[in-house]
Amino acid sequence: DVVMTQSPLSLPVTLGQPASISCRSSQSLVHSDGNTYLNWFHQRPGQSPRRLIYKISNRDSGVPDRFSGSGSGTDFTLKISRVEAEDVGVYYCLQGTHWPWTFGQGTRVEVK
Amino acid sequence: EVQLVESGGGLVQPGGSLRLSCAASGFTFSSYWMSWVRQAPGKGLEWVATIKPDGSDKYYVDSLKGRFTIFRDNAENSLYLQVNSLRAEDTAVYYCARPGDPGSVDYWGQGTLVTVSS
Repeated sequence: DVVMTQSPLSLPVTLGQPASISCRSSQSLVHSDGNTYLNWFHQRPGQSPRRLIYKISNRDSGVPDRFSGSGSGTDFTLKISRVEAEDVGVYYCLQGTHWPWTFGQGTRVEVK
Repeated sequence: EVQLVESGGGLVQPGGSLRLSCAASGFTFSSYWMSWVRQAPGKGLEWVATIKPDGSDKYYVDSLKGRFTIFRDNAENSLYLQVNSLRAEDTAVYYCARPGDPGSVDYWGQGTLVTVSS
């Protein structure tokens, strides 16, 4: 199975400052169809996850443009350009290239 | 509006069984792959299983194969997860999720809690 490793696991942030989360996979996430199925989700306490980014860098409708995804192969990053209070919670990466799909452990973002 | 509403969770004894259901609306259910994802209390997300639109192919996390079965009824716009031989470590919120795009999940239900305890 593909192992997804996120870092850091806890990220204290200052409102208005940037933040960055890394997600590394144990093997390449490039699919035979040429796409890379790497996703990012945000989950607030007591809520279902919400997708932010799919295929590395495509932002979902309604997701603020302060969120951006980048990377390739086995190394991916989610960046928040200026953290707002509503961004606290846990962020997960998910690879959908190889069966079984696998999530990262999650990164908890909290305000300092 | 896409809606996924899970039901069927509850308290069950170790070794017991449950059938979880997901009622889908707001999209053409029979055209979409569907998945189950679970989350143990205070833990991260774990993908459980995915099924093709016509039910012909199913994919499972290896550790649950043989105990969990995903299936669907396209006439009823419903997704199911049969869970057998339940263990304490199966205690989790089980989410119904729609892979609207290949290799991804774009909609989630609110989840149904399964608690395995004597």
